[in-house]
Amino acid sequence: GDSVTQMEGPVTLSEEACLTINCTYTATGYPSLFWYVQYPGEGLQLLLKATKADDKGSNKGFEATYRKETTSFHLEKGSVQVSDSAVYFCALSAPMYSGGGADGLTFGKGTHLIIQP
Amino acid sequence: DAGVIQSPRHEVTEMGQEVTLRCKPISGHDYLFWYRQTMMRGLELLIYFNNNVPIDDSGMPEDRFSAKMPNASFSNLKIQPSEPRDSAVYFCASSLGSGSGTDTQYFGPGTRLTVL
Repeated sequence: GDSVTQMEGPVTLSEEACLTINCTYTATGYPSLFWYVQYPGEGLQLLLKATKADDKGSNKGFEATYRKETTSFHLEKGSVQVSDSAVYFCALSAPMYSGGGADGLTFGKGTHLIIQP
Repeated sequence: DAGVIQSPRHEVTEMGQEVTLRCKPISGHDYLFWYRQTMMRGLELLIYFNNNVPIDDSGMPEDRFSAKMPNASFSNLKIQPSEPRDSAVYFCASSLGSGSGTDTQYFGPGTRLTVL
């Protein structure tokens, strides 16, 4: 079945440091890939997504590139801020025509990111 | 738009009691999803609906769990009888949906369930 693997952390960085959170996946067919962010006490919000190979998703200074050859979708940011402290989830959805579960998301375990001033 | 609305935000109950969680999706969205989040298992898809019809309930853990969507504006998830291992945060999400897997899901704030 489909699966997503990501570093679980916690990951602790100083403000203005560079961030990389690794994410790899296994899936049938050609999935879409997502990064969601969860702030304390809140639901998940979409951070960025990519729907085909070599696409780059970007938002709020975060980027991730869909790498089919390495089945990866690593999240990067050049300079993190204290307000970026949250839990980050990598996820995929595989379309029905390739044997996937339509729009149901398969999530990684989440990476807790802590940014210190 | 108000976004996905869930109620209650917190629920504390005793083992054996029936629990009902409620969700109002974003107007116009065709898909509705129920997820459960625990420390041990992370986020798991329980069931999802398309146009009020359950499409895949393979994630529902046991017969004690049931979900319905009587109309496009409302869904509920019931646990009867509840057990301590059901304690988790339950999220509802909705999306426009196309079957292609590309659509963004919008999540509600979640219901934190504690079963004593």
